[in-house]
Amino acid sequence: AQSVTQLDSHVSVSEGTPVLLRCNYSSSYSPSLFWYVQHPNKGLQLLLKYTSAATLVKGINGFEAEFKKSETSFHLTKPSAHMSDAAEYFCVVSDRTGGFKTIFGAGTRLFVKA
Amino acid sequence: NAGVTQTPKFQVLKTGQSMTLQCAQDMNHEYMSWYRQDPGMGLRLIHYSVGAGITDQGEVPNGYNVSRSTTEDFPLRLLSAAPSQTSVYFCASTFRASGVVEQFFGPGTRLTVL
Repeated sequence: AQSVTQLDSHVSVSEGTPVLLRCNYSSSYSPSLFWYVQHPNKGLQLLLKYTSAATLVKGINGFEAEFKKSETSFHLTKPSAHMSDAAEYFCVVSDRTGGFKTIFGAGTRLFVKA
Repeated sequence: NAGVTQTPKFQVLKTGQSMTLQCAQDMNHEYMSWYRQDPGMGLRLIHYSVGAGITDQGEVPNGYNVSRSTTEDFPLRLLSAAPSQTSVYFCASTFRASGVVEQFFGPGTRLTVL
């Protein structure tokens, strides 16, 4: 069965400094991996996805993530945080298990200080 | 395309009442799923369907029923609501082709059980 672990429940950074949100996954098959962002009282927005093409994936709003199979990781990064990045971020895995069942991580709340 | 629609947006129930959360998609996707979102727990999979007439349980199926009589609709039923079912519910529809997986989420239903 697949699983996702987001290693930090909360991350706090200062505006203009780099962001790192960590995600490890477990999958018996070649997984598809996603990062979603959710602003308070809003729906889910897809930031980026990995689906077995390039291992370094670029997303919206300057975010990117690198798929590392040897480390079973898919960490999300951004070179310079903006106040508008404050939100909750979810790492998601999907593979052929259960007909492409999709599992979410517990989420990482990102705080950005002025 | 309307994408994934959910109704209602908000609902308040009393313990023991029943109701159905509606979900519809117009993208002809085979795979649909229901999640609940609770603070600190991410989105947890309740039930999913890989096509009309086929449903299966996710991580937290107890207290919920689903059916899939058409490709477009995937309603979620609460037979006897409990306060523990107070949550935000998201329906999702998934596109799969040649290893590419992409999910589309509805706007969510905020349910309160008193």
